[in-house]
Amino acid sequence: IVMIQSPLSLPVTPGEPASISCRSSQSLLHSDGYNYLDWYLQKPGQSPQLLIYLGSNRASGVPDRFSGSGSGTDFTLKISRVEAEDVGVYYCMQPAQAPPYTFGQGTKLEIK
Amino acid sequence: EAQLVQSGGGLVQPGGSLRLSCAASGLTFSSNYMHWVRQAPGKGLVWVSRINGDGSDKIYADSVKGRFTISRDNDKNTLYLQMNSLRADDTAVYYCARDRPYSGSYNGFDYWGQGTLVTVSS
Repeated sequence: IVMIQSPLSLPVTPGEPASISCRSSQSLLHSDGYNYLDWYLQKPGQSPQLLIYLGSNRASGVPDRFSGSGSGTDFTLKISRVEAEDVGVYYCMQPAQAPPYTFGQGTKLEIK
Repeated sequence: EAQLVQSGGGLVQPGGSLRLSCAASGLTFSSNYMHWVRQAPGKGLVWVSRINGDGSDKIYADSVKGRFTISRDNDKNTLYLQMNSLRADDTAVYYCARDRPYSGSYNGFDYWGQGTLVTVSS
């Protein structure tokens, strides 16, 4: 499965919303009714951290300004109001049709 | 504190071998699937390998199949990646990551190690 993210670069003014798209070449909707799509954030110089799993479930400790939506092949990560600490590279990943597990190319969010 | 602590990276010549370790503390380990993910300098994340809780099921990316071996020692709460026949394009930061328990629901890769740099160069 190929995962395509857009945009690849996302300059955002603090306090403004941001949105990242992730499209998969095959459906990530499993027979159990869940969409197997994760979102990860890799802050500068750090390991990736889980933000969203199963398309729309926020991981423990993730602020509610982050939300995930979508189904099948089209997914979106939204940040309602960007903060300075949100800078980094955002990746979507599919575990639905593994192996292999595949990541998107990454979207670099920067503050204007 | 729940964490995965990695060790074992470094500089190795092409054709050489290296073993990475990932020690779990403060979190469940023995029943969980575990992964290795790598990131070449300035590039994105690439999945490498996965192992199930008891070590009986292992899968690999095509790029490392036959050269890398994933294993675990649940008595030591430690995950390993044995890397043989290393090539220049294996140069990357390698991360371990925890997945769901065998009988549990999927919750994403919820814990990641700090990463360890492997450089393959003569």
